[in-house]
Amino acid sequence: DGGITQSPKYLFRKEGQNVTLSCEQNLNHDAMYWYRQDPGQGLRLIYYSQIVNDFQKGDIAEGYSVSREKKESFPLTVTSAQKNPTAFYLCASSFRQGGPYNEQFFGPGTRLTVL
Amino acid sequence: DQQVKQNSPSLSVQEGRISILNCDYTNSMFDYFLWYKKYPAEGPTFLISISSIKDKNEDGRFTVFLNKSAKHLSLHIVPSQPGDSAVYFCAASVGGNQFYFGTGTSLTVI
Repeated sequence: DGGITQSPKYLFRKEGQNVTLSCEQNLNHDAMYWYRQDPGQGLRLIYYSQIVNDFQKGDIAEGYSVSREKKESFPLTVTSAQKNPTAFYLCASSFRQGGPYNEQFFGPGTRLTVL
Repeated sequence: DQQVKQNSPSLSVQEGRISILNCDYTNSMFDYFLWYKKYPAEGPTFLISISSIKDKNEDGRFTVFLNKSAKHLSLHIVPSQPGDSAVYFCAASVGGNQFYFGTGTSLTVI
């Protein structure tokens, strides 16, 4: 079964701790994305990667970091510098970044709660 | 500033009737639009897309209409079914690059 997995589904952390959210895809997609969803708001882009070892900041990258060492994996670290880390985090991938028929496929999400 | 807006946070429709979900955008450069459906605690799933060279795209019960002059997008679901109850997001991009998402409309089919 091809798809995107995110783990864990629910994550709790104490304030001041860094936490890493996992995202893996076996769709052979080049591009991967991280979004954040808050109540009453649309999905906001944190980081995206078009290819291995390359990534760009989205609209709300401050307080986050990513890596793309493998095509299949795009982990997101929420650092202690992120002022409001409690949110629902969604990972997505697409065949490539840009161009037509470029639907993004989403994982099930991770709900992070910082206590 | 929100470039893609869904001004109706919620919508209730009777089963079998038509559901119309609306989306407005401000950036005239947007040329590729998507609709996603999302159930609680799950990731969005892709529904239907349209590029700016078209004004309509159909896929089964789902039809998306694009009015470029009004910068308006709508999704029609007919007939509506209880399983359609979910949050619907529209998204827009320039050339399929970074997508900007609306805030979502929660559809309840009763």
